[in-house]
Amino acid sequence: DVKVTQSSRYLVKRTGEKVFLECVQDMDHENMFWYRQDPGLGLRLIYFSYDVKMKEKGDIPEGYSVSREKKERFSLILESASTNQTSMYLCASTNPGTGAPNTGELFFGEGSRLTVL
Amino acid sequence: SQKIEQNSEALNIQEGKTATLTCNYTNYSPAYLQWYRQDPGRGPVFLLLIRENEKEKRKERLKVTFDTTLKQSLFHITASQPADSATYLCALPRTGGFKTIFGAGTRLFVKA
Repeated sequence: DVKVTQSSRYLVKRTGEKVFLECVQDMDHENMFWYRQDPGLGLRLIYFSYDVKMKEKGDIPEGYSVSREKKERFSLILESASTNQTSMYLCASTNPGTGAPNTGELFFGEGSRLTVL
Repeated sequence: SQKIEQNSEALNIQEGKTATLTCNYTNYSPAYLQWYRQDPGRGPVFLLLIRENEKEKRKERLKVTFDTTLKQSLFHITASQPADSATYLCALPRTGGFKTIFGAGTRLFVKA
């Protein structure tokens, strides 16, 4: 069974702490994504990566960085956590492609709920 | 800017009835549209994709329509069951890139 695994389901951190959220996929996917999900706002893209060591900013990259040293692993880093980064963080992966039969289906992890006090 | 709108109000229906959820988009001409299901505290799970040249797609009790003129997709669950209670998300590929954009989702409650 295909899988995207996020290292922590629940985290509580203090303001100013450095936070690492890890994501591993076992599907040999090229593309990986980090979203955050907040009530009423839906999923918003923070960063994505289309290859090892390659990354691009999403819609809300401020306060975040990412690392992709290996194809299967994509890490989200909060350099100095703030209370407005309290959220559900979702990692996803997919393979690129055009036309049928590629669906662009995103495979998500279970999420990491981060609380910053 | 590109926008997706889903009804933010929860939808409450009786078991056995058909649930219909709406997804509207603006400033888009997407090649396809996706629907995902999300249970509380879990990640979204892909359900269906419909392409721009398809009017309708079915999968078991699910039916999706895609009207590119109205810029709207309808998601139907027939013979609904309490186990169908979840949040349903509409998603579109952003023009020119790898990114997928999501609506905020509609919460569905199916009462026994």
